[in-house]
Amino acid sequence: SAVISQKPSRDICQRGTSLTIQCQVDSQVTMMFWYRQQPGQSLTLIATANQGSEATYESGFVIDKFPISRPNLTFSTLTVSNMSPEDSSIYLCSVTGTEYEQYFGPGTRLTVT
Amino acid sequence: GQNIDQPTEMTATEGAIVQINCTYQTSGFNGLFWYQQHAGEAPTFLSYNVLDGLEEKGRFSSFLSRSKGYSYLLLKELQMKDSASYLCAFSSNTGKLIFGQGTTLQVKP
Repeated sequence: SAVISQKPSRDICQRGTSLTIQCQVDSQVTMMFWYRQQPGQSLTLIATANQGSEATYESGFVIDKFPISRPNLTFSTLTVSNMSPEDSSIYLCSVTGTEYEQYFGPGTRLTVT
Repeated sequence: GQNIDQPTEMTATEGAIVQINCTYQTSGFNGLFWYQQHAGEAPTFLSYNVLDGLEEKGRFSSFLSRSKGYSYLLLKELQMKDSASYLCAFSSNTGKLIFGQGTTLQVKP
């Protein structure tokens, strides 16, 4: 399976500011995803990060709030814009393996005050 | 529509066997996955079923019935370190994973 790293691992931010989370994979992968896991909840897909084109967002998530970049097949960023306390979550990137399984990065724990 | 359901919490005794059930509904299906997530950590991949039947991997086994929209994860010889959340997820036609709410398993001595 691919080795996935995320930066930062955690951050505390003030409301109204933005944070960009980086996801780096040690091999080229076709599909990368961004998830949110709110406290005590399961994982919710935010968007599919597409290389060379705009990300595909799930219902309830919009590009203005969660802009995503995917400049190549090993790297992606997710920005959480104009943050509010409701954005306090763990944000995880994932990549697909050989049989649709997904492997997750270690996550970024975000607290908005 | 798409939905997936699993019990919220389960408790079992060290050394015992526990079965965690998962039911799902979806029009497009590319497999059923189980993940383990310890508190404060990312989910780790446990198993994948795309065909009906039982897949065994050490102490963990996973079963799938596509006609019934049903899966279970079987954990044998429970250890204290198995206390975690277990997430059931199915893959849609587009490769997206749709996760259940997770089952928190507590293993007691």
